[in-house]
Amino acid sequence: DQQVKQNSPSLSVQEGRISILNCDYTNSMFDYFLWYKKYPAEGPTFLISISSIKDKNEDGRFTVFLNKSAKHLSLHIVPSQPGDSAVYFCAATNAGNNRKLIWGLGTSLAVNP
Amino acid sequence: EAGVAQSPRYKIIEKRQSVAFWCNPISGHATLYWYQQILGQGPKLLIQFQNNGVVDDSQLPKDRFSAERLKGVDSTLKIQPAKLEDSAVYLCASSPLGGRNSPLHFGNGTRLTVT
Repeated sequence: DQQVKQNSPSLSVQEGRISILNCDYTNSMFDYFLWYKKYPAEGPTFLISISSIKDKNEDGRFTVFLNKSAKHLSLHIVPSQPGDSAVYFCAATNAGNNRKLIWGLGTSLAVNP
Repeated sequence: EAGVAQSPRYKIIEKRQSVAFWCNPISGHATLYWYQQILGQGPKLLIQFQNNGVVDDSQLPKDRFSAERLKGVDSTLKIQPAKLEDSAVYLCASSPLGGRNSPLHFGNGTRLTVT
């Protein structure tokens, strides 16, 4: 049972345009969400997070939006750069599960020059 | 600061053999995690340590997998005997605490191939 779903396995975007990566979740108890980025042959790197008490968090070119009623979050990258090409994982957690991260399957982003 | 160190980077073994992975977390990080990542999937938590105590090992196949963090610093993960389905990348991560405001720092992983 996949509690965190990233329904798009891959996404291709032109350099300079916006990349939008989506994530849906089923567990209404999740109260904290994170995005990690992973390059080949490296471990995931923390990118940005958002608490369920907020609906938006911004860090430079990266913005995460949370729609609790739809159980949906999205990561926006503006403008996209070739170095952003990586696999992006959405993860969720809540106090009730000892803060264990529940991960999506990832979306592979390709930013074309 | 130095990152999470893992070794070896790659390992190829035959089924029924044993293998061990080593992890040295970021200095001062109390929480250490071992994850298994099968190709095309997200990381799956195998075990979480807080200092040298186990917090969560509910998804660790204890009949063949074991892990220890004896002095609350570095850790080893062992598989004995290995099965074909154990082929995966084994990631070690650490964080200062275990809470939600403490993002994980991952090592580069060990890619295990079981033939």
